[in-house]
Amino acid sequence: AQSVTQPDIHITVSEGASLELRCNYSYGATPYLFWYVQSPGQGLQLLLKYFSGDTLVQGIKGFEAEFKRSQSSFNLRKPSVHWSDAAEYFCAIATSGTYKYIFGTGTRLKVLA
Amino acid sequence: DGGITQSPKYLFRKEGQNVTLSCEQNLNHDAMYWYRQDPGQGLRLIYYSQIVNDFQKGDIAEGYSVSREKKESFPLTVTSAQKNPTAFYLCASSRTETYEQYFGPGTRLTVT
Repeated sequence: AQSVTQPDIHITVSEGASLELRCNYSYGATPYLFWYVQSPGQGLQLLLKYFSGDTLVQGIKGFEAEFKRSQSSFNLRKPSVHWSDAAEYFCAIATSGTYKYIFGTGTRLKVLA
Repeated sequence: DGGITQSPKYLFRKEGQNVTLSCEQNLNHDAMYWYRQDPGQGLRLIYYSQIVNDFQKGDIAEGYSVSREKKESFPLTVTSAQKNPTAFYLCASSRTETYEQYFGPGTRLTVT
C-alpha cells in the first residue's frame, strides 16, 4: 500500500538555524512529490513539487527539497529559518494516472527567537 | 483574483442536523476534492470529482455526500450519519493534466 511518513511530529529550531524536515514514501515506482505549508486555521500552500529531472528542486520562501530514489525520501530544507516559517508542513505523493494525494501526518515547526 | 472560496469559515450545528459546506473555485479546474483534517492525522480524502456530474468516494466517505452540478462548485453535506463530524474541512481543486492541488481556506465545523 502507498504511504507517506513524516517521522518528526514536532521540530523546534532557533531563528537563523538551518532546517531539514524528513519525508519518506512507500510506492512501487517514483511518485509525484509535494511539500505544503499550513499556518494555523488556514488552507495549505504549495511550497514545491518534484515530477522528474533534477532531484534538487527549489520552491517558494527559500525552501528546497531533494529527491533520493534509493532512500524513497523527499526531505525539505531551508538554510536559515525565519520566525514566519513557524507552521505545519505536509509531504504528499500522487501517483501517475490517479489524482488523489496521500498525505503524511505533518510536522509542526516552532521557531525560537 | 483566481482562487478557491469556502464558506462559512466557522460553522456550528446541533447533533442530528445535516449541514452543507460550500466550495467554489474560479480557476477553471476540472478536478475538485474534499478533505477532512483532524489533529495528528494529516488530511484524509472524503470525496473527489474529476468532471461535472461525476464523483468518487475517497477514504472516509461514510456519512458524507457531495454533488457536482457545475464545474465551479463542489458542495459537501455532512449528514447526521457521520459519527464524529467536528473537524476542519478543506476543499481543493486541480487541473487534470497536472497534479498540483490548490486549497481553500477551510471551514471549521463544530457539532454539539
